[in-house]
Amino acid sequence: EAQVTQNPRYLITVTGKKLTVTCSQNMNHEYMSWYRQDPGLGLRQIYYSMNVEVTDKGDVPEGYKVSRKEKRNFPLILESPSPNQTSLYFCASSRGWGGGPTGELFFGEGSRLTVL
Amino acid sequence: DQQVKQNSPSLSVQEGRISILNCDYTNSMFDYFLWYKKYPAEGPTFLISISSIKDKNEDGRFTVFLNKSAKHLSLHIVPSQPGDSAVYFCAAITNTGNQFYFGTGTSLTVIP
Repeated sequence: EAQVTQNPRYLITVTGKKLTVTCSQNMNHEYMSWYRQDPGLGLRQIYYSMNVEVTDKGDVPEGYKVSRKEKRNFPLILESPSPNQTSLYFCASSRGWGGGPTGELFFGEGSRLTVL
Repeated sequence: DQQVKQNSPSLSVQEGRISILNCDYTNSMFDYFLWYKKYPAEGPTFLISISSIKDKNEDGRFTVFLNKSAKHLSLHIVPSQPGDSAVYFCAAITNTGNQFYFGTGTSLTVIP
């Protein structure tokens, strides 16, 4: 089954404790990206990657890092989480540049992160 | 600054009637527009898209209209069904095709 898998789905942590949210896709997609969803702000893009070793900032990259060492994986790293990073996070993938001909992103189920 | 805006946070429609969801954008470099649907506790799923060279695209009960001069797009669902109850996000991609911009979402409730 084609899917994007995120882990953990739920996490409560404390300020300053480094954490990683993993994302893996099994569709051989070139493009992967991370979003956060906040009330009243919709989905905002954090980082994206057009292929292995190629990453770039989205709209709200501050406080986050990413890496793309393998095509299938695109982890999101919070080196020193703060309470304003409490949010619902989504990873997504698609074929080609920015989704290819249809722009269709395939999303994971989301990771709800709470930073105390 | 929000480049894609959905000014209606919620919408209620009777089953069988038309649902119209609206979206406005500010960036004239947007080249491609999309609608996504999201159920609670799930990730968004792609619904329909439209290129900036077109003004209409249809897929079954779903039609997206694009008015470039007004920088406005809309999603029409006809007829609306209770299973359509979800949050709908519009999104836009720049002509470089790398960065996605989403609206704030409209929560649609279809009343049986």
